[in-house]
Amino acid sequence: DGGITQSPKYLFRKEGQNVTLSCEQNLNHDAMYWYRQDPGQGLRLIYYSQIVNDFQKGDIAEGYSVSREKKESFPLTVTSAQKNPTAFYLCASSLHPRGRWEQYFGPGTRLTVT
Amino acid sequence: AQRVTQPEKLLSVFKGAPVELKCNYSYSGSPELFWYVQYSRQRLQLLLRHISRESIKGFTADLNKGETSFHLKKPFAQEEDSAMYYCALSGNAGGTSYGKLTFGQGTILTVHP
Repeated sequence: DGGITQSPKYLFRKEGQNVTLSCEQNLNHDAMYWYRQDPGQGLRLIYYSQIVNDFQKGDIAEGYSVSREKKESFPLTVTSAQKNPTAFYLCASSLHPRGRWEQYFGPGTRLTVT
Repeated sequence: AQRVTQPEKLLSVFKGAPVELKCNYSYSGSPELFWYVQYSRQRLQLLLRHISRESIKGFTADLNKGETSFHLKKPFAQEEDSAMYYCALSGNAGGTSYGKLTFGQGTILTVHP
């Protein structure tokens, strides 16, 4: 079964704790992305990676960190420095880094921090 | 900087009526534009892209560089078209915009029977 997976579907954390969201793809895609989806604000890019061992900050990278040690995996850590971490997080991948290539999205992880 | 604006958060039409979802963009170069759709309980997925000049599920979108718009249209809406629609822009220049896709705020379309 090919595709992009995110786990877990729902995640609950206490304020002050770091939390890592998983994103895996078996599509052999070079590029991977993390977005945050908030009501009324659309999707905002957090981080993206064009190749293994390389990543760039998106528009709202503060309070987040990522790694890209394997082509298939692009985990996102939401740190305690992120002021409003409660949100729906979407991971995506595309065959090539150029934006013109279709992005394939995962099912998302809803993070709630209290 | 690249920016996408979808002025309508909500849009309601009746089945069989024409529908137009508005999208305006700001980009200094020559952009590539897309519409993505998210149906209830499904993943966000590509609907169409302007470079393909295609019609998908009866939807079309024309890039108007003079008005910097990429409105999505369908002549006869169906109930199954109810979904969240996102307009997105990719800059085709290099530098900091390379590989980035900028999304609008989204429009929730509801088609009533």
